This record gives sequence, structure tokens and C-alpha cells, in this order.
Amino acid sequence: DGGITQSPKYLFRKEGQNVTLSCEQNLNHDAMYWYRQDPGQGLRLIYYSQIVNDFQKGDIAEGYSVSREKKESFPLTVTSAQKNPTAFYLCASSIVGGTEAFFGQGTRLTVV
Amino acid sequence: DQQVKQNSPSLSVQEGRISILNCDYTNSMFDYFLWYKKYPAEGPTFLISISSIKDKNEDGRFTVFLNKSAKHLSLHIVPSQPGDSAVYFCAASARSNFGNEKLTFGTGTRLTIIP
Repeated sequence: DGGITQSPKYLFRKEGQNVTLSCEQNLNHDAMYWYRQDPGQGLRLIYYSQIVNDFQKGDIAEGYSVSREKKESFPLTVTSAQKNPTAFYLCASSIVGGTEAFFGQGTRLTVV
Repeated sequence: DQQVKQNSPSLSVQEGRISILNCDYTNSMFDYFLWYKKYPAEGPTFLISISSIKDKNEDGRFTVFLNKSAKHLSLHIVPSQPGDSAVYFCAASARSNFGNEKLTFGTGTRLTIIP
């Protein structure tokens, strides 16, 4: 089955630690995205990538980093510089110029 | 600056009636609009879309209306069913250049269908 897989579904980390969220897709999409959702807020774009080895900052990139070494994979690292890392993180993909994005099931990160 | 606004955080509708979810936008460069449905602890799923060259798009029980002059769109669900209870996000895209597409999301409206 084609789709987007995010792992893990739940993640707990101590404050000050970096943590990497995984996102893999087998939809053959060139574009991939990371969003963050907080309670009562919409999805906010962290980073996006239109092609391998290239990515762009979204609206709230500070404290995050990404890589795009393979078309299928777009991991997100939440660094210790991110002041409020506890959130629900969503990965998505689409064809470049496409009309809809396909989302993974999300990773809920809790930093204690 | 919130470019896509959903001013109603929640809406309750009786089963069988019409649900109307509203969305306003401020960026006149937006030319494609989408609605996504999201259940708790899951990713959003695409529901329906509309291009700025149209003012209406229908898919089964779901119809989206676009009023470009008012920068307003709405999603109508009729008849509403219990499985429609979810958070609905409005999203907009400005496909100005190849490779620059991204979605701007609204804050969502939680729809509750009352049996």
C-alpha cells in the first residue's frame, strides 16, 4: 500500500536533548513537508523540500533541522534550541505543483 | 499574520441537517483552496478542493463554494452524519511559480454531529 509512515507515534524526551522524527513515503512524491500542530491552532509549516538535497524554511523553522538525502525520506530533528518542542508533528508529501497533500498519522512529541 | 482564517472554532449540527463551515483568506495570490478533515491523533485527509476559476465544486454530500470578491469559501455537508464529526481545516495555495507550492492552513473548525 502506498502512503506516508511516521514513526514513532509517541515520543518522550528530556529537555535539552535533540530528537529526530522519521518520515518515509512510497508515493513517489518529490515534495515533502513538516508541519506542527498545537492545541487550538492550525497546522504551521516548519520545513519543506521540493527535491532531493534541497529544502526551504517554512514559517517556524527556528530550532528545527531537516535533511533530504533520499526522495522517500525527510527526517526532522527537533533541537534543544526549540523553546516549545512539545507538539503534534505531521509529515506530508505531494507532487510538485500537485493539488493535494497526503499526510502521515503524526508523531506526538512530549518533552519533559 | 493569519492569511487563512476560520473564525468558528467549533460547530454543532444535528444529524441529517446541513453543516456549513466557513473560511476567509487575505492573500489575493491564493488560487487553489482545499478542505481537509482530521480525526484526533491522526493526520488530515483531503476532502475536496476548488480552483479560483470556479465558484462551486461538488462531491457527493460535500460542496465547496468560493466567493473570490469576498475572499471567502465555505464547505457544505448535507446531510450531516455522525462520522462527519472531526476537525475541518481550510487550506490555500498560491502556485505562483513551479516549485513554490505550499499550503497555508487555517486554525480549524471542530464539527460535532449530534445524533
